[in-house]
Amino acid sequence: EPEVTQTPSHQVTQMGQEVILRCVPISNHLYFYWYRQILGQKVEFLVSFYNNEISEKSEIFDDQFSVERPDGSNFTLKIRSTKLEDSAMYFCATRPRDKRNTEAFFGQGTRLTVV
Amino acid sequence: AQSVTQLGSHVSVSEGALVLLRCNYSSSVPPYLFWYVQYPNQGLQLLLKYTTGATLVKGINGFEAEFKKSETSFHLTKPSAHMSDAAEYFCAVSSGGGADGLTFGKGTHLIIQP
Repeated sequence: EPEVTQTPSHQVTQMGQEVILRCVPISNHLYFYWYRQILGQKVEFLVSFYNNEISEKSEIFDDQFSVERPDGSNFTLKIRSTKLEDSAMYFCATRPRDKRNTEAFFGQGTRLTVV
Repeated sequence: AQSVTQLGSHVSVSEGALVLLRCNYSSSVPPYLFWYVQYPNQGLQLLLKYTTGATLVKGINGFEAEFKKSETSFHLTKPSAHMSDAAEYFCAVSSGGGADGLTFGKGTHLIIQP
């Protein structure tokens, strides 16, 4: 069964450093998302990406964050100048070409720890 | 704007008992509704979804949910709980269009007592 793959599974970084979280979508999926889950809290939408541009972003997704799909396969989330409160599980999700199939497939997540 | 309310951050049931996890939503457009399950240290797995058509939807692992528009609810049930059902359950809503993201509830931690 096809799956969304995220790397790394766990990343520890020092406050102020930049991190890049990577996601390999399911082949032929066209809609890409990043979500965040702070420990013990709900899953929060960060950003959606379609046709090589951001479609929608939440209040959380400020100038500290950016997304891109540089090589047509990997979908990345960059967090500049990380803060302690950025520590969370970050999930990538993708949806297929057909809009009527609205199911999002989630990756296993990257646990980011900022120290 | 969309929102999801899950009543009860923790629900405890005995093995073999009925599981009922509550979800209420608000949406300005006809909603698409989802239940996801998260096992410890794992990602989110889709249990079931409602988009259009039959309001009672069946999912994996014996779970089902009923969309009730008049009550703006999408409660998740399972007739007989199993120890392996212990997990975090998230209800989510989207408008279903384009690249629209999901809005999640806060989650309900299901505990199964032996």
